[in-house]
Amino acid sequence: AQSVAQPEDQVNVAEGNPLTVKCTYSVSGNPYLFWYVQYPNRGLQFLLKYITGDNLVKGSYGFEAEFNKSQTSFHLKKPSALVSDSALYFCAAASRGGGYNKLIFGAGTRLAVHP
Amino acid sequence: DAGVIQSPRHEVTEMGQEVTLRCKPISGHDYLFWYRQTMMRGLELLIYFNNNVPIDDSGMPEDRFSAKMPNASFSTLKIQPSEPRDSAVYFCASSLGGGGWGSGELFFGEGSRLTVL
Repeated sequence: AQSVAQPEDQVNVAEGNPLTVKCTYSVSGNPYLFWYVQYPNRGLQFLLKYITGDNLVKGSYGFEAEFNKSQTSFHLKKPSALVSDSALYFCAAASRGGGYNKLIFGAGTRLAVHP
Repeated sequence: DAGVIQSPRHEVTEMGQEVTLRCKPISGHDYLFWYRQTMMRGLELLIYFNNNVPIDDSGMPEDRFSAKMPNASFSTLKIQPSEPRDSAVYFCASSLGGGGWGSGELFFGEGSRLTVL
C-alpha cells in the first residue's frame, strides 16, 4: 500500500537555528512530492513541490526540500527558523500517472519554534 | 484574487439534523476536492470533481454523505442525518489540472468546523 510517513509528531527548534521536518514515502514509480503548511484555524497552504529535475527544491518563506530517491525521503528544511514558522506541516505524495485520488498526505508534524 | 471560499466556518448541530457545507472554488480551476480532517484519521479525501463531474467518491464514508457540483463555481457537501462521529473540519480545495496534474498545487479553503452534538 502506498503511504507517506512523518515520523515526528512534533519538532522543537530555537529561533535562528536550522530546522528539518522529515518525510518518507512509499509510492510506486517516481513520485510527485509536496509540502503544505497549516496555520491554526486555516486551510493548508502549498509550500513547495518536486516534480522532476533538480533534487533540491526551493519554496515559499525560505523553505526548501531535498528529494532523495535512494532513501525515498523528501525532508523539509530551513536554514534559520522563525517563530512565525510555528505551524503544522504536511508532506504529500502521488504516483505519476495516478489521479488526484492517489495524493496521499502524511499525518502532519507540528513545528514549534521557540524565541 | 479571492481564494477558495467555504461556508459556514462553524456549524453546531444536533444528531439527526441535515448539514450542508458550501464551497466556491477559484475561478478557472477545473478540479474540486472535499477533504475531512480529524485528529484520529488526519486528512482524508472524500470526493473530487473534474469539470463538475464526480470522479472518485470512494472516500465518502457512507450513504449519509453526498456531494454535488451543479456548476463550475459552486459545490455542496451534505450530511443527512448527521452523527456525532461526523464532527470534523471539512476542507474544500480546488486546482488547475488542465486534464492532468497541471501544477499539482491544491488551494484550500479555510474549512468548515462541524460539531454534531
